Amino acid sequence: EAQVTQNPRYLITVTGKKLTVTCSQNMNHEYMSWYRQDPGLGLRQIYYSMNVEVTDKGDVPEGYKVSRKEKRNFPLILESPSPNQTSLYFCASSPSRQGSTDTQYFGPGTRLTVL
Amino acid sequence: AQSVTQLDSHVSVSEGTPVLLRCNYSSSYSPSLFWYVQHPNKGLQLLLKYTSAATLVKGINGFEAEFKKSETSFHLTKPSAHMSDAAEYFCVVSDQRSNYQLIWGAGTKLIIKP
Repeated sequence: EAQVTQNPRYLITVTGKKLTVTCSQNMNHEYMSWYRQDPGLGLRQIYYSMNVEVTDKGDVPEGYKVSRKEKRNFPLILESPSPNQTSLYFCASSPSRQGSTDTQYFGPGTRLTVL
Repeated sequence: AQSVTQLDSHVSVSEGTPVLLRCNYSSSYSPSLFWYVQHPNKGLQLLLKYTSAATLVKGINGFEAEFKKSETSFHLTKPSAHMSDAAEYFCVVSDQRSNYQLIWGAGTKLIIKP
């Protein structure tokens, strides 16, 4: 089944403890992206990647890192999480490199709470 | 810079009546525009998209949207609301000048009254 998977789905952690949220797609998509969703703010793009080893900052990259070593994986890393990073996170992928003109396929979301 | 404004945070309609969700955008270049839907506790799904072809775009579940450049609008409509349409709807814009970043509106929650 064609899909975008994220793990974990739920995570409660403490301030400063490094964490990684994994994202994987099995559709051979070029473009991948991370978003956070907060009430009243819609989705805000954190980072995106148009190709392996190519990543770009979105609107809210501070406090996050990403890597794209393989086409299918695009992990989101929080080196030192803080409570203001408590949010619902979505990973998405898209077939073309200029993925923002194409349909985005979303993962199920990861609800992160930082205490 | 490009931006998206969804003019209503909540819209409430009765089942069987028309739906109108309003979206205005700001973009200097030819934009790509999308509507996504998010049902409660579910992921996001594309409803429809405009990418410089026909200005009236038809999507899934009977929804459609019209790109009006002169009004910089991309309103979402449906002739007759169904209970299953209750969800949050997001308008999204992208253009070449912004290096293909996607800018999302804050969302409109659609409430369907029986």
